[in-house]
Amino acid sequence: GAVVSQHPSRVICKSGTSVKIECRSLDFQATTMFWYRQFPKQSLMLMATSNEGSKATYEQGVEKDKFLINHASLTLSTLTVTSAHPEDSSFYICSAPTSGEQYFGPGTRLTVT
Amino acid sequence: RKEVEQDPGPFNVPEGATVAFNCTYSNSASQSFFWYRQDCRKEPKLLMSVYSSGNEDGRFTAQLNRASQYISLLIRDSKLSDSATYLCVVGYSSASKIIFGSGTRLSIRP
Repeated sequence: GAVVSQHPSRVICKSGTSVKIECRSLDFQATTMFWYRQFPKQSLMLMATSNEGSKATYEQGVEKDKFLINHASLTLSTLTVTSAHPEDSSFYICSAPTSGEQYFGPGTRLTVT
Repeated sequence: RKEVEQDPGPFNVPEGATVAFNCTYSNSASQSFFWYRQDCRKEPKLLMSVYSSGNEDGRFTAQLNRASQYISLLIRDSKLSDSATYLCVVGYSSASKIIFGSGTRLSIRP
């Protein structure tokens, strides 16, 4: 099957700093990618749809100025958590669809201290 | 009301048991349906797609009832390795946006 990578897999940062997470489709092109967040013992919540060459579409309640999404190429989308706070600590997962299926990255565990 | 609702469990059953999960969705325009499996601290993995005609893959059987907006998953002869969280997932368009249910935790005991 198709492969989606994420980097970094784990990051610890201090409160107030910004963190960038990369999502790459390794063997296919993705005009659309999705970003999810998962808090402990909860399900994946869709944060936004990343669109190559245009603005991302954010789900209700997700601050677009805090979670910056850039889909600069057909294989790369980035999520930047700006001015991170401890409540942003979570598991962030991206996904990309191809051939009728959704492929997920391995996730990035963000801890804000 | 959540778009996709599941019984959170946990279900704790002995090895070899049959277990059934249910899921309901609120948007009648939903077009695609899936069951995913997620192990602790891992990304979700597609278990199977769900079709109106019902489909079976080994010990797993999935059913979809569009009229009732209800999806089910049946696991027969459960194995220890089936212990995981099972996520009911609904898709809305060919753009592949999918929404996850809250998940049902399953624990199989020896």
